[in-house]
Formats: sequence, C-alpha cells, structure tokens
Amino acid sequence: SAVISQKPSRDICQRGTSLTIQCQVDSQVTMMFWYRQQPGQSLTLIATANQGSEATYESGFVIDKFPISRPNLTFSTLTVSNMSPEDSSIYLCSAEDRAYEQYFGPGTRLTVT
Amino acid sequence: AQKVTQAQTEISVVEKEDVTLDCVYETRDTTYYLFWYKQPPSGELVFLIRRNSFDEQNEISGRYSWNFQKSTSSFNFTITASQVVDSAVYFCALSEAEKLTFGTGTRLTIIP
Repeated sequence: SAVISQKPSRDICQRGTSLTIQCQVDSQVTMMFWYRQQPGQSLTLIATANQGSEATYESGFVIDKFPISRPNLTFSTLTVSNMSPEDSSIYLCSAEDRAYEQYFGPGTRLTVT
Repeated sequence: AQKVTQAQTEISVVEKEDVTLDCVYETRDTTYYLFWYKQPPSGELVFLIRRNSFDEQNEISGRYSWNFQKSTSSFNFTITASQVVDSAVYFCALSEAEKLTFGTGTRLTIIP
C-alpha cells in the first residue's frame, strides 16, 4: 500500500489569500488525484495530477482557482487561490498503487474566514 | 455517467449486532472497480477493499464481508459482531479510469 502525507494538516486563512497544500507519497506512483470534501458531504474529485503535463480538471473546477503541480512521481501540490468561505473544506490527496488500490492522505482541513 | 447510491444515511445498532451497509451503482463500463472506505471521526479515509467487475466472489476479512452482485448492481458491506470502534462514516465508490465516484456515505453508530 502507498503511504501518503499532506502538509499542512489544517489551516485558517483569510478571504482573498491563497494556500498551497503539499502531498508526498512514499513510493513512485503513476496516478495522483486531489479531492474535496465539504463539511458533512461526500468526496468530489477536483483533478488528476499528471506528471510532466497539466492537470486534468473535472467539471466545475478550473486551473485558475486550483492550480496543481506534479514535478515528479512522488509529489504534488494543490493551491486554493483567492479563497472565500465557500472553499472551507477538507482537501485530500490520493494515489493509486501498483495493485490499483487507491489510498488517501490524512487530508488538509481548511477554514476560510 | 457513473453514480453510486448509499440509501442509508445513518444507521445505529447495539454492539455485537450484525449490520449491512448497502451500495448500489450505475455504470456503462464493462470493466470497473468498486471500493469501500471507512472515515472515522479523526477524518482520515481508510481503504477497506477493492473489487473488480469480473470477480463476483464474496470476500471475507475478519468481521468484514462484502457481497458483490452484478445482476443487481450492488456491492454491500456487512460487519459481523459490531464493535464501538466500527463507528464511522462508510463510503462506497466506483472507479472509471482510476477516478473515483463516491456515494454520499452511511454514518454508522455502534451503541455500547
């Protein structure tokens, strides 16, 4: 199984600022993803982080708001830009291991005031 | 479009009872994967099982068992002899090209 860490684990940010979340996997993986879980809700896929090319965004999510980097096979970042209170959520990184099992990081709890 | 339905929003059972969490899915793909995850109060998402669409054998892991029935598009999860530590939100998910579509989750409370 893949072990995934995320930083920061939580943050409180002011409206209009940006926050970058880091995701580190303990082994090389092909597929990495970013999900959002709004309070009391299920998980929604934001984008697939592609190594060496632009991320692939799901409907309703755009690069200007959620820029993603994937510089290598073990690391990715998600930036939440120009934040508003509606961005308050848990942001989770996931990776698929060689057995095609998808594991999740512990999440980043973001509160925007 | 893919869809996962977990009709049970909340379930409460007394400790040591058995409980089944339902999951019904919709997909046009012939090859797909189904997952179950546990999200305890601490918030992390714990992988429980992955099942591919060609393998309809039931799976048992300790007190956990899963029943996959393609004919009814269901992938139900049973906990036998429930324990307080089983209290969590459980998500069923369906994958297409490795992207997961999650159900809305079932909040399970085990009463001591």
